[in-house]
Amino acid sequence: SQTIHQWPATLVQPVGSPLSLECTVEGTSNPNLYWYRQAAGRGLQLLFYSVGIGQISSEVPQNLSASRPQDRQFILSSKKLLLSDSGFYLCAWRGNYNSPLHFGNGTRLTVT
Amino acid sequence: KQEVTQIPAALSVPEGENLVLNCSFTDSAIYNLQWFRQDPGKGLTSLLLIQSSQREQTSGRLNASLDKSSGRSTLYIAASQPGDSATYLCAVFGSIGAGKSTFGDGTTLTVKP
Repeated sequence: SQTIHQWPATLVQPVGSPLSLECTVEGTSNPNLYWYRQAAGRGLQLLFYSVGIGQISSEVPQNLSASRPQDRQFILSSKKLLLSDSGFYLCAWRGNYNSPLHFGNGTRLTVT
Repeated sequence: KQEVTQIPAALSVPEGENLVLNCSFTDSAIYNLQWFRQDPGKGLTSLLLIQSSQREQTSGRLNASLDKSSGRSTLYIAASQPGDSATYLCAVFGSIGAGKSTFGDGTTLTVKP
């Protein structure tokens, strides 16, 4: 069966520090991969999605970037965090556009 | 631009009650719609996926319907239990391919014993 791993679960970082969040999927190949951010009490905002290695589409221009160095690995990065980057970051995958979207457990990022 | 609205924002019911959660979307040109459950501080758990060509999907006590022409979906929960307490979100996928998604803000359900 397929599983998705996301780490770390929580992270506290000072303003101006770099960020790297990692997500990996097991048990499938060539998944569509997604990064979302959820503000408190709100729905999810799509940040990036990827249909293959090295292929990244950005939905919202901001202080973040994403990379997909391997088929089942998706990384969210920032060179310098801002206070406004605080939030709950969720990685997700699906096999194709007819398949359900599956989420990881999320990373709670607090920028101080 | 697609907008997804979920009303009410919060709902409290006694155990055993049947209930309906609502999701409406502004652009009917969707590819599919998915319902999720989110427990506090956790990721989202997929409940039901409805393709645009389908009218409903069922899983256990859950039944989701889709009326694409009117831009509405409902999630019906039968015989609610305290364990059903969570936030329920709907998402619409508007294009083929990787699928750009738009999420509602969710309905927070509390089922009282």
